[in-house]
Amino acid sequence: GAVVSQHPSRVICKSGTSVKIECRSLDFQATTMFWYRQFPKQSLMLMATSNEGSKATYEQGVEKDKFLINHASLTLSTLTVTSAHPEDSSFYICSAFAPSGGWNEQFFGPGTRLTVL
Amino acid sequence: DQQVKQNSPSLSVQEGRISILNCDYTNSMFDYFLWYKKYPAEGPTFLISISSIKDKNEDGRFTVFLNKSAKHLSLHIVPSQPGDSAVYFCAASADSGNTPLVFGKGTRLSVIA
Repeated sequence: GAVVSQHPSRVICKSGTSVKIECRSLDFQATTMFWYRQFPKQSLMLMATSNEGSKATYEQGVEKDKFLINHASLTLSTLTVTSAHPEDSSFYICSAFAPSGGWNEQFFGPGTRLTVL
Repeated sequence: DQQVKQNSPSLSVQEGRISILNCDYTNSMFDYFLWYKKYPAEGPTFLISISSIKDKNEDGRFTVFLNKSAKHLSLHIVPSQPGDSAVYFCAASADSGNTPLVFGKGTRLSVIA
């Protein structure tokens, strides 16, 4: 299947700093990528839809000025957590659609564990 | 309001027996359903999917059943293996295209040797 990578896999930062997470589709082009967040023992919650060449669409309750999304190319979307606080500590996962057997399968990255001290 | 519900947070099954994971949904616009397997600190891995025009899809040890009238689907794993132990997420979409998925809260499956 299609491969989606994320970098870094794990990051620890101090409160007040900004952290950038990259999501790349390695063997296909993705006009649309999604960013999810997972709290411990909870489901994946959609944060935003990242569209190549246009502004991201944020879900209700997600601060767009805090979680900056840039979809600079057909293979790269970045999520920047600005002025991070301990409550932003979470597991962030991106995904992208790739054509597969007539349907568009959604492939997930391996996730990024963010810990804000 | 949860649109996709997995009411069993955990399930324990003996190796070799059948594992049945259940999922209910409320949005009648959903027409595409998927099951993902997830290990801690990893992204979800796609297992199997089914479109609303079918009531069953089988792939090796995994079979997904869809009951549209009851808005219910289930994942059957047989025979269950210890390596199947993970959290399983049910997800739904209102379009097979570029729309985000709505996930259930997951069911943790433990297969006991």
